[in-house]
Amino acid sequence: GAGVSQTPSNKVTEKGKYVELRCDPISGHTALYWYRQSLGQGPEFLIYFQGTGAADDSGLPNDRFFAVRPEGSVSTLKIQRTERGDSAVYLCASSLGAFSTQYFGPGTRLTVL
Amino acid sequence: DAKTTQPTSMDCAEGRAANLPCNHSTISGNEYVYWYRQIHSQGPQYIIHGLKNNETNEMASLIITEDRKSSTLILPHATLRDTAVYYCIVSSPNAGGTSYGKLTFGQGTILTVHP
Repeated sequence: GAGVSQTPSNKVTEKGKYVELRCDPISGHTALYWYRQSLGQGPEFLIYFQGTGAADDSGLPNDRFFAVRPEGSVSTLKIQRTERGDSAVYLCASSLGAFSTQYFGPGTRLTVL
Repeated sequence: DAKTTQPTSMDCAEGRAANLPCNHSTISGNEYVYWYRQIHSQGPQYIIHGLKNNETNEMASLIITEDRKSSTLILPHATLRDTAVYYCIVSSPNAGGTSYGKLTFGQGTILTVHP
């Protein structure tokens, strides 16, 4: 079946701009996670959704970052007033539920000039 | 979640078994050991996980020591396509906790398979 998909695959933006990154989880997966991976590092947790609600947003670096999942399926990660330090690969993962095996998408590479 | 320690890099000849070690000496009784790998420019790929018993699937085998303080991922016949970064992760399944299953990745082991 279809895996986790993320769009766009690449996003180049200018410092100060607003960006949205989209994640389509595996059908039927209620849990959705966002991670961020900087060059040469392992992925770092950002936020976890169970259904429509963000159950854990402790990994979001600051209030410029926000994520939604209004219908419990597709999720959008939103970054306001982007900074060069936001440049990274943003990964999305979904699972049947919390504590089930997570399956990752290919990621969105964000470059802030 | 317990932290893990892995070698920075390893080499393996194509067709031979690749044995990737991981230390997790502070693991708790209800924490699972997960292995993921990440091929260049792709998202992490789930390989296998286990609690106490050894596990095997179509990709690999996972050997966990009796005291659960270390484990080894075995790729029985490595191919060039197995060249990747391999992450060993300890994740709590405790629904009463606050981890919600989020994965804490370390630096991983860069496995290079040579012809």
